[in-house]
Amino acid sequence: EVQLLESGGGLVQTGGSLRLSCAPSGFTFDFYAMSWVRQAPGKGLEWVSAISGSSGDTYYADSVKGRFTISRDNSKNTLFLEMKSLGAGDTAIYFCARLTGTTGLFDSWGQGTQVTVSS
Amino acid sequence: SYELTQPSSVSVSPGQTANITCFGDKLRYTFISWYQHKPGQSTVMIMYTDSKRPSGIPERFSGSKSGDTATLTIGGTQAVDEADYYCQVWDRRTQWVFGGGTKLTVL
Repeated sequence: EVQLLESGGGLVQTGGSLRLSCAPSGFTFDFYAMSWVRQAPGKGLEWVSAISGSSGDTYYADSVKGRFTISRDNSKNTLFLEMKSLGAGDTAIYFCARLTGTTGLFDSWGQGTQVTVSS
Repeated sequence: SYELTQPSSVSVSPGQTANITCFGDKLRYTFISWYQHKPGQSTVMIMYTDSKRPSGIPERFSGSKSGDTATLTIGGTQAVDEADYYCQVWDRRTQWVFGGGTKLTVL
């Protein structure tokens, strides 16, 4: 069974940094591209970032480009999201999701980790 | 940036058919996926490539597209189907795009 477990969320001050982790299980991690998706309070899902399986190509939404860095350690089966210069607009539940298919379908999701940015 | 437009809410009586629409410019030229999101639970992909149902998704869920409007149809809606539903496409410029989401209420 595919499982994705996010961690690292918490309360951080405006302008601060935070690193999220995602621990996958039930599949061969380096075969798959991975992604982060977030949901702000009362809002819909927003794609944040993605990384390919082996080449490490990375992609970012304009709203986080230059502030967030996605990475992965295939030897440790872990996905990361390094977040810097956080603002109130980054307050959200952050979900880790597995991507599949040529156009990247989110076929498995974690339950999310809460990030709250407060002044 | 590319946008997908969904109704914010849809209500349906148990056993009736629910239709959730998703409109996007030139949507006819791309494939759409649908996701079911329940608070506190993992989001589930319930439709891909417009009308394909992943393994394990009940047959009462179906997808279609006409022109630039895609529709997720839930036939014989059950209380367990109450959730938020999101459409999603991949766009070359803006990458992955979600619709604003539709809250399905089963009255």
